[in-house]
Amino acid sequence: DADVTQTPRNRITKTGKRIMLECSQTKGHDRMYWYRQDPGLGLRLIYYSFDVKDINKGEISDGYSVSRQAQAKFSLSLESAIPNQTALYFCATSDWTGNGYEQYFGPGTRLTVT
Amino acid sequence: SQQGEEDPQALSIQEGENATMNCSYKTSINNLQWYRQNSGRGLVHLILIRSNEREKHSGRLRVTLDTSKKSSSLLITASRAADTASYFCATGNSNSGYALNFGKGTSLLVTP
Repeated sequence: DADVTQTPRNRITKTGKRIMLECSQTKGHDRMYWYRQDPGLGLRLIYYSFDVKDINKGEISDGYSVSRQAQAKFSLSLESAIPNQTALYFCATSDWTGNGYEQYFGPGTRLTVT
Repeated sequence: SQQGEEDPQALSIQEGENATMNCSYKTSINNLQWYRQNSGRGLVHLILIRSNEREKHSGRLRVTLDTSKKSSSLLITASRAADTASYFCATGNSNSGYALNFGKGTSLLVTP
């Protein structure tokens, strides 16, 4: 089984709808992240969490919220989806390797807002 | 804001040739990492180089780091069709829980 899983893998929703993307991990890492990827722009950080009680905004948090339900689960919500939130969303975990924090990515959720 | 910038944006080579990608970054770093992304899939960690290292090898990968120029390069030797992917450099940001700042990536195409 994959270490970092995301559901759903694909989602089409309409403008104004609330939607939740879920992420689960079996790696036992405390740190979890949500990124979005747009064509030609690389990945940008939305939110990150050090543990269940520590959640922080990233570079582009407006229009998003998160919930860290447990060490293994980190959900991203779009309160009222808009078309420019159409993107590929990635969840990641990280762990200290002795040299730095390497990150482990889920397979991504492709979200389309019409 | 994005920290790294890869160059070139796209690279097309034949199997067996070497592929070199470059990355420039803006602020001081503790380490720099390279990731690979196959089309539409998650990123996979390739290699990490610390700021006090100048060169690191992993299989067919060779990474160099020049902190005075704030630049890094990734060399893939004897490329294979399976190396076709996008490659990203990333730097850790201690101000955001060591979340990674990614560049826009280099798209590598290796043709048989």
